[in-house]
Amino acid sequence: DIVMTQTPLSSPVTLGQPASISCRSSQSLVHSNGITYLSWLQQRPGQPPRLLIYEISKRFSGVPDRFSGSGAGTDFTLKISRVEAEDVGVYYCMQLIQLPYTFGQGTKLEIK
Amino acid sequence: EVQLVESGGGLVEPGGSLRLSCAASGSTFSNAWMIWVRQAPGKGLEWVARIKDRAAGGTTDYAAFVKDRFIISRDDSRDSLYLQLNSLKTEDTGIYYCSTDHYRWGQGTLVTVSS
Repeated sequence: DIVMTQTPLSSPVTLGQPASISCRSSQSLVHSNGITYLSWLQQRPGQPPRLLIYEISKRFSGVPDRFSGSGAGTDFTLKISRVEAEDVGVYYCMQLIQLPYTFGQGTKLEIK
Repeated sequence: EVQLVESGGGLVEPGGSLRLSCAASGSTFSNAWMIWVRQAPGKGLEWVARIKDRAAGGTTDYAAFVKDRFIISRDDSRDSLYLQLNSLKTEDTGIYYCSTDHYRWGQGTLVTVSS
């Protein structure tokens, strides 16, 4: 199975300041079709997961542009340009290149 | 935009069975690959199973921990996805989410396995 490792596991951030979460996969997530199957999901407290970013950097429908994704191969980053109160929750990276789909441990974003 | 609503969760004794349902609306369900993902209390996300659409053969795949205990199925005429849970164990306790291959997610249904 592909292991997804996120850092940090907890991120206290001041409102209006940027935040960054890293994710590393144990294998390359680049498919033979050239697409990298790495996504980022947000889970607000008491809510289901919500897709933010897919294929490294593509924002899903309705996702604010303060969220951005970057990276390549096995190293990826989710950035929030200016954290808002509604961004509190747990963020997961997820790989979909190989079954079983696997997730990072989750990074808890909280406000200082 | 597809909307997903799960149902069928509840309290069951170890060794028991449950059938989870996921009703889809608002989009073309029949073209979607569907997955089930679960979340144990206070824990992270764990992929359970996937079923492809009919055009891709409708094939199914499972996480290793399922070990022939769960069955994923779909009824495109009813825009519905199912997960039959058999031989349940206490460690199967959690919220079960259906999703259109991780793009859209339902609210989840809680399964509690306890004596």
